[in-house]
Parts: sequence; structure tokens; C-alpha cells
Amino acid sequence: DAGVTQSPTHLIKTRGQHVTLRCSPISGHKSVSWYQQVLGQGPQFIFQYYEKEERGRGNFPDRFSARQFPNYSSELNVNALLLGDSALYLCASRPSGGLDYGYTFGSGTRLTVV
Amino acid sequence: GNSVTQMEGPVTLSEEAFLTINCTYTATGYPSLFWYVQYPGEGLQLLLKATKADDKGSNKGFEATYRKETTSFHLEKGSVQVSDSAVYFCALSDRGTSGSRLTFGEGTQLTVNP
Repeated sequence: DAGVTQSPTHLIKTRGQHVTLRCSPISGHKSVSWYQQVLGQGPQFIFQYYEKEERGRGNFPDRFSARQFPNYSSELNVNALLLGDSALYLCASRPSGGLDYGYTFGSGTRLTVV
Repeated sequence: GNSVTQMEGPVTLSEEAFLTINCTYTATGYPSLFWYVQYPGEGLQLLLKATKADDKGSNKGFEATYRKETTSFHLEKGSVQVSDSAVYFCALSDRGTSGSRLTFGEGTQLTVNP
């Protein structure tokens, strides 16, 4: 079975541009979350979606937005990119029914803003 | 708010040495606790988990016990291998009504020398 897949794997953007990152969860997983991992630090929670509704938002500016589609895949959008947005963006999915199953992460998208 | 504190790294050990990575947490309610491992250039892999007090999570020779009285979830392995070299993250999952999210520690870099 395929795990959590993210695309693209690497991306270079210029300050002020917009970026869209994509995530496909494990088949049957209805919950998708996004995390930002700056080099040398632990991941920081950005968004969680469940059944196409936003269920949680971390402490990130409004330049960050996301959505979930009927097939449970998800997009993370970042507008007006700043140098500080350079990071590894991780998507995670988990099955519904509780928090005890743990989260499965994708390999991430490495975003570099120049 | 929730927080996770890990022992500072990096940690360097010889093969077959005993490993302990300390992790303490602050949380309201009764979180689930996780250890994730990140190999160079990859995403996060779930190593083990515990969902209630006194639970012991174990996987691939690694163990951690959920200690509510000391709010700790220390990671241990009796005999490390070179292949265990990676960054280890302790994390908790809250059960708030605003949606589930993982709160991570800063990570501990482990290097095992032959």
C-alpha cells in the first residue's frame, strides 16, 4: 500500500511568490495535517483537516491556507513568500476513530525561498 | 499550552552502548505520547507510542514508558547499532475539541560509531 505521498519533493521560489504543496493521504485516512519543520528544529503544526473541514490551525499568519478535497487529498498554499518560509513541509494522515493510532508522515516538500 | 522538552544533543555513542534520551512534557488532560525518528533527508517515522499512564511502547528494541507522575516518556535502547543514527523526536497529541495536533520537542541527534 502507498504511504502518504507529497509533491513536489523540492521547490525553489522567489520572495513574494505563491506556492502550492500537495498531499495524498493513506487510503482510508480521512484526517490530514500539515507541519512546518525549519532546519534543526521540531515540526510545528500548521493545519488539520477532517472530512474537508478545518479542525485546527496553528500559530501561522493568514498567508498560509489549506483545503481538503472530496478524495481526502489536501493542498497547502502559501502567499507572499518570505525567506523565513524556507523549510521542510510535512503532511501527515491518520485514520478516523481516535488519536491512538499515531500519525503517518510523508517524506515532505523541501521549500527554499530565495 | 502544551510543550515537550527533550535532552539536548547531539548524542554520540559507540555501537552496543546503552541509549537514553530524556523527554518531559507539559499538557492539560491526558495526552498520547510518541517517539518519531527522522533519517537524513526523509520524513518522520513513528517509532513507538503510549496512550495512557504506565503504558510501555516498544519497537525495534526501543522502549519508552508513559510516566504521568513525572510527566516523562524517556526513550531507551539496550544496545544501539550504527543504523540507529538519526534524529529522534518526542511528541504529544492533545485531545482538544479544536482538533488533534502533535506538539514536538526540538529533537535529539544520535550518532552511533562502529
